[in-house]
Amino acid sequence: AQTVTQSQPEMSVQEAETVTLSCTYDTSESDYYLFWYKQPPSRQMILVIRQEAYKQQNATENRFSVNFQKAAKSFSLKISDSQLGDAAMYFCAYRSMKTSYDKVIFGPGTSLSVIP
Amino acid sequence: KAGVTQTPRYLIKTRGQQVTLSCSPISGHRSVSWYQQTPGQGLQFLFEYFSETQRNKGNFPGRFSGRQFSNSRSEMNVSTLELGDSALYLCASRDKNIQYFGAGTRLSVL
Repeated sequence: AQTVTQSQPEMSVQEAETVTLSCTYDTSESDYYLFWYKQPPSRQMILVIRQEAYKQQNATENRFSVNFQKAAKSFSLKISDSQLGDAAMYFCAYRSMKTSYDKVIFGPGTSLSVIP
Repeated sequence: KAGVTQTPRYLIKTRGQQVTLSCSPISGHRSVSWYQQTPGQGLQFLFEYFSETQRNKGNFPGRFSGRQFSNSRSEMNVSTLELGDSALYLCASRDKNIQYFGAGTRLSVL
């Protein structure tokens, strides 16, 4: 069975600085998707970024980028120029490409605080 | 397009009661998934519906059930509520391998 681990329960960053959130996963599959979701205190879960495992190029969305290391099964999220609105719970997630079934496996989350 | 809508936002029930939660997916999305979120267990997959059929089910007791209607709207039902069922229940609809989440229903069981 697949598992997702986030070893940092809490992180903090100064406004305008850069922070990296860690994620590792375990799977025997070769084709899958990886996601980072953000859940602010208002609790609406929002997709931040996604990566297809077959793509070697790391995904980037504005200030958000990932470091995807397939062999190491590592998928970290870098937030540049941190803003107060980035404060939230961040979840790393995995979804198999093997079937069309929609079961996403989430990590336990990392709570990010942004210090003004 | 309107986002995923979940109703109600908050519910308070007592042990032994049953509850029904509703989810309206984004227009055009046919897949709806449900998740339970608790501080202790995190986000856990409940089940997924596609075209009115349950395609996948998580590791939850039979007290948790769901259905999907022809317009893709989905409901989940929890019977004989227990204190441990207190949680945030999230619904998500999917398009092109991306899930879009609703704001959730906060269920408190007293």
